[in-house]
Amino acid sequence: DQQVKQNSPSLSVQEGRISILNCDYTNSMFDYFLWYKKYPAEGPTFLISISSIKDKNEDGRFTVFLNKSAKHLSLHIVPSQPGDSAVYFCAASGAGNTPLVFGKGTRLSVIA
Amino acid sequence: GAVVSQHPSRVICKSGTSVKIECRSLDFQATTMFWYRQFPKQSLMLMATSNEGSKATYEQGVEKDKFLINHASLTLSTLTVTSAHPEDSSFYICSALLAGATDTQYFGPGTRLTVL
Repeated sequence: DQQVKQNSPSLSVQEGRISILNCDYTNSMFDYFLWYKKYPAEGPTFLISISSIKDKNEDGRFTVFLNKSAKHLSLHIVPSQPGDSAVYFCAASGAGNTPLVFGKGTRLSVIA
Repeated sequence: GAVVSQHPSRVICKSGTSVKIECRSLDFQATTMFWYRQFPKQSLMLMATSNEGSKATYEQGVEKDKFLINHASLTLSTLTVTSAHPEDSSFYICSALLAGATDTQYFGPGTRLTVL
């Protein structure tokens, strides 16, 4: 049973436009959510996070939105750049030193 | 800050041999580290949780005698794949937990293991 779902395996966006990556979760005990970016043959890189007490967190071109009632979060990248092309993982965590639960990832391709 | 390194980045070994992978938190102390494995086109799969000074906690289905984890210091955890087989070929990633108001895991760059 997948607790964190990224239903779109891939996404193509034109350079300069907005990229929206979606993530759904089922476990209501999750209270901390993160997005990681991963290039091939490299470890994931932390991108941005959001606590369940917030509904939005912004860092430069990256904004994460959290809708707790819908158990849904999304990552917005604007404007998208070719260097953003990577696999993006959504991850969720409960309280304390609990390991992250990852989605399967969405491959973003930003086309110049 | 919050850099995690892994060594080696790539290793090729013969079937039946053992391989040790090191995970280091370079600029912070981590009482908790995690080991993940990624199969092609799949998500990261948690293998075990490594706590400094105590035994690792393994996820269901992960053989603890095959994947030996040692977390002897606050900055180093090691994963030893014993008697490696071709099916152990995979991408192994560690992460270290930076404790604080919002615990965040920082990942190492990964180790590509190929068993011939």
